[in-house]
Amino acid sequence: NAGVMQNPRHLVRRRGQEARLRCSPMKGHSHVYWYRQLPEEGLKFMVYLQKENIIDESGMPKERFSAEFPKEGPSILRIQQVVRGDSAAYFCASSPEAGGFYEQYFGPGTRLTVT
Amino acid sequence: AQSVTQLDSHVSVSEGTPVLLRCNYSSSYSPSLFWYVQHPNKGLQLLLKYTSAATLVKGINGFEAEFKKSETSFHLTKPSAHMSDAAEYFCVVSDDQAGTALIFGKGTTLSVSS
Repeated sequence: NAGVMQNPRHLVRRRGQEARLRCSPMKGHSHVYWYRQLPEEGLKFMVYLQKENIIDESGMPKERFSAEFPKEGPSILRIQQVVRGDSAAYFCASSPEAGGFYEQYFGPGTRLTVT
Repeated sequence: AQSVTQLDSHVSVSEGTPVLLRCNYSSSYSPSLFWYVQHPNKGLQLLLKYTSAATLVKGINGFEAEFKKSETSFHLTKPSAHMSDAAEYFCVVSDDQAGTALIFGKGTTLSVSS
């Protein structure tokens, strides 16, 4: 069973461009979470999605950031008009069910660098 | 609101000596607690989790943690450090009520010298 897959692993964007980060959850997992890790910090929750629904986006900046998890295909985290402060590692996780009892399985992350 | 405090940002040990990484939590509900490890430029791997069963939890690679409600602590220990244990360790809390977002501590960097 393949783990959580993220691509690209490294992404370089100039200020003002768009960044698209993809996440394929583990097989059988319909719950996806996105986290951001800034340098020297722990991970911070951004958004929680189920298929075709955003359940909790309380950690996502109100502007420029959006996320989706369509019926078919990977979950996408989209950052429009990137700025230097968006440079970070973005991790996706998936779980078979929601709730604190269930482990979240993490992907290898996408490291975004904004120049 | 839930929160996690990792008391040491950096811990250094010699190979073969015990490891202690300290974590205190705050939670309004009965929490689930986790320890994750992150090796350089890699994703996160679950070491162990506590979900209101036994208070002493055994994980992978010889690690274990003890849930102490009276002290609101969930310290991670290992009897004998190995060079391959050098990594970043995160203490994480998730409340059972919502249980969606994991709350991460800032991490403890473990260095192991020979």
